[in-house]
Amino acid sequence: DAGVIQSPRHEVTEMGQEVTLRCKPISGHNSLFWYRQTMMRGLELLIYFNNNVPIDDSGMPEDRFSAKMPNASFSTLKIQPSEPRDSAVYFCASKNRMGVGSPLHFGNGTRLTVT
Amino acid sequence: GENVEQHPSTLSVQEGDSAVIKCTYSDSASNYFPWYKQELGKRPQLIIDIRSNVGEKKDQRIAVTLNKTAKHFSLHITETQPEDSAVYFCAAQNTGNQFYFGTGTSLTVIP
Repeated sequence: DAGVIQSPRHEVTEMGQEVTLRCKPISGHNSLFWYRQTMMRGLELLIYFNNNVPIDDSGMPEDRFSAKMPNASFSTLKIQPSEPRDSAVYFCASKNRMGVGSPLHFGNGTRLTVT
Repeated sequence: GENVEQHPSTLSVQEGDSAVIKCTYSDSASNYFPWYKQELGKRPQLIIDIRSNVGEKKDQRIAVTLNKTAKHFSLHITETQPEDSAVYFCAAQNTGNQFYFGTGTSLTVIP
């Protein structure tokens, strides 16, 4: 199993540019989560999907952020326009069934730097 | 919603000593508690977990204890080694399928 795959690993962009982060969950997993990690705020849940349907996006900072999951094997997180305060590591994670008792499996993350 | 607090934020121990990290949670409906280890520049990785119908679980040098009444759970690492140095996160999952993470403990094992 290749695990959760994220791309790119690193992204450096200028303020105002659009950024798209990509995630492929583990095959067979039906829940997908996007987290943002910073020193100041730790791990923050941005949004999660069950069976490709967004369940809770209350963690999405503002309208500049959007996430999609068009099918069971692919999700994107888009920031438009990007701002320096968006600089962080963005993790995608998946789990293999709805409900309680199975762990999250994290991808290697995308380190985003907005200058 | 759930609120998970984690202490201490930093911990230094001599190699071979034990390390204990403690977490408390607020939602009595939470019933799954994983622990993650994150090395510098890497992803969080599950090291051990416990479900609410169990009071203690052990895996070699790592153990987790859960006190449902007091709503706290702890990670115990015995015979620490330099490769145990990392940031450790506790988490609680409630019936809503969401995970709530603690703020992390940076553990340094001094050779």
